[in-house]
Amino acid sequence: QKEVEQNSGPLSVPEGAIASLNCTYSDRGSQSFFWYRQYSGKSPELIMFIYSNGDKEDGRFTAQLNKASQYVSLLIRDSQPSDSATYLCAVNDDSGGSNYKLTFGKGTLLTVNP
Amino acid sequence: DTEVTQTPKHLVMGMTNKKSLKCEQHMGHRAMYWYKQKAKKPPELMFVYSYEKLSINESVPSRFSPECPNSSLLNLHLHALQPEDSALYLCASSQGTAWDTQYFGPGTRLTVL
Repeated sequence: QKEVEQNSGPLSVPEGAIASLNCTYSDRGSQSFFWYRQYSGKSPELIMFIYSNGDKEDGRFTAQLNKASQYVSLLIRDSQPSDSATYLCAVNDDSGGSNYKLTFGKGTLLTVNP
Repeated sequence: DTEVTQTPKHLVMGMTNKKSLKCEQHMGHRAMYWYKQKAKKPPELMFVYSYEKLSINESVPSRFSPECPNSSLLNLHLHALQPEDSALYLCASSQGTAWDTQYFGPGTRLTVL
């Protein structure tokens, strides 16, 4: 059973701080990793994707991947109240013929306090 | 443009009704997906169409019937649903290559009475 683990939170940070969201995965063969943001009652919105070890930056967001440790993280710099949402980590399923499947973590609820 | 559209936004139906959910994308994507999401849970994959053929059915009950009329459209036909089927139904699409990014539509909020 492939698993993706996230701290459920809630994670609470003050406005302007760095929010750090973490995710570990069990399938060593996974190739692609995604972070989605989901506001309450809305659909998931893609924030970042990362395929290679190291860091990938996009504005205030940085995704970090360490395949050896099976660990992926999302850093949000200068957190804003509008960043308050559930963040879903998703990992592709690398089993043959099923590389369309994503395994989702349970999500981390982030609250940014003004 | 990474837009996936879904209609209707909200749907209330009785257990004896037949209804359909619709999804459309014009990004040239060749893979389309149906997910079900319950409150405070991650999305749960139901079906995957790849190049207009059903490639994954996650043992979904037959009261849910998917259809892919063409590469831009995806339907989910609903019949004899149960109250526990009430959920947010999400459509997603991706290019259709291995491990590519899935983009979600806004979802249909379904309530079964």
